[in-house]
Amino acid sequence: AQTVTQSQPEMSVQEAETVTLSCTYDTSESDYYLFWYKQPPSRQMILVIRQEAYKQQNATENRFSVNFQKAAKSFSLKISDSQLGDAAMYFCAYRRVGGGADGLTFGKGTHLIIQP
Amino acid sequence: NAGVTQTPKFQVLKTGQSMTLQCAQDMNHEYMSWYRQDPGMGLRLIHYSVGAGITDQGEVPNGYNVSRSTTEDFPLRLLSAAPSQTSVYFCASSYRVGRHNEKLFFGSGTQLSVL
Repeated sequence: AQTVTQSQPEMSVQEAETVTLSCTYDTSESDYYLFWYKQPPSRQMILVIRQEAYKQQNATENRFSVNFQKAAKSFSLKISDSQLGDAAMYFCAYRRVGGGADGLTFGKGTHLIIQP
Repeated sequence: NAGVTQTPKFQVLKTGQSMTLQCAQDMNHEYMSWYRQDPGMGLRLIHYSVGAGITDQGEVPNGYNVSRSTTEDFPLRLLSAAPSQTSVYFCASSYRVGRHNEKLFFGSGTQLSVL
């Protein structure tokens, strides 16, 4: 079974600075997807960024980028120029390809605090 | 375009009561699923469906039933609620499952408390 580990229960960063959230995973599959989801206090699950394992290039979405290290099974999220609206729970998730009906496997989340 | 709609948003039950959490999507998605989120935990898959008439169990299916009579609807039934089922429940859908799977669309969640 796949597992996803987020070792930082809580992170704090000053507004406008850069923060990196860590995620490691364990799988025997060679092809899969990795995701970062944001969950603000509204409870809504918002997809931040997605990485396909067969792509070597790291995904980027505006101020959000990932450092995907397939051999190390590591998938960290970097948020640049942090804004107050970035404050939320962040979940790392894994989904296998080809019959991934068994859904996403989530980490336990990192609570990100933005200090004004 | 409403996306994924969950009702109710909040519910309080007594132990032993039954209820159905509703989930509807208007995007003609083949795949629908239910997750629960407990404090300090990520979301865990309860049940899923890859099309009308087809359902299967996820990681934590005990105490829950599902059915998929239409493409649009995927209700989650608690037959005899227990305090351990106190959680936030999310419904999610996507166009199809497979290599070209679209992103998962989540509903806004149902906060359920069982006393």
